[in-house]
Amino acid sequence: QKEVEQNSGPLSVPEGAIASLNCTYSDRGSQSFFWYRQYSGKSPELIMSIYSNGDKEDGRFTAQLNKASQYVSLLIRDSQPSDSATYLCAVNMGRSGAGSYQLTFGKGTKLSVIP
Amino acid sequence: ETGVTQSPTHLIKTRGQQVTLRCSSQSGHNTVSWYQQALGQGPQFIFQYYREEENGRGNFPPRFSGLQFPNYSSELNVNALELDDSALYLCASSGGVRAFFGQGTRLTVV
Repeated sequence: QKEVEQNSGPLSVPEGAIASLNCTYSDRGSQSFFWYRQYSGKSPELIMSIYSNGDKEDGRFTAQLNKASQYVSLLIRDSQPSDSATYLCAVNMGRSGAGSYQLTFGKGTKLSVIP
Repeated sequence: ETGVTQSPTHLIKTRGQQVTLRCSSQSGHNTVSWYQQALGQGPQFIFQYYREEENGRGNFPPRFSGLQFPNYSSELNVNALELDDSALYLCASSGGVRAFFGQGTRLTVV
């Protein structure tokens, strides 16, 4: 059974702080990893993707991947109240090839940014 | 806006009934995936269609079935509805480097 594990939270951080979200996955052969943000009652929105070891930065977001440790993380710098949402870690379990995104999701971490 | 449209947005059905959910994929995307998200859980992969053929299936019983049309839109059919089928059903289309989700259909089974 291919699994993705996340701390369910809730994780509370003060406005302006760094929020750190973590995820581990079981399938060592996984190649692509994603972080989605989901506001209550809405569908998931892709915020970061990462495919190789190391860090990838996009604005206030940094994704980190360590394939040896089977670990993915998301850092949110200068957290804002509008960042309050559930963050879902997803791993692509599909076969290689364009469009074959068969994602296994974690349960999500609920983040609250306190003004 | 992702360009992925699902209908209806909300639906109430009675246990034992059948339901059909619909998804229009983003222009140029030939792959559609369906996910079930129960309350407080992450989305779970149901199945995927690529160029009108099933291209992978998650751990869901056969009463969950699907279809993809030549224009790449898709349907999810669920027979013999059970109370546990109450969830947000998400459609995602992909055709390259990422998958985009529709707004979802909230199904309530009573």
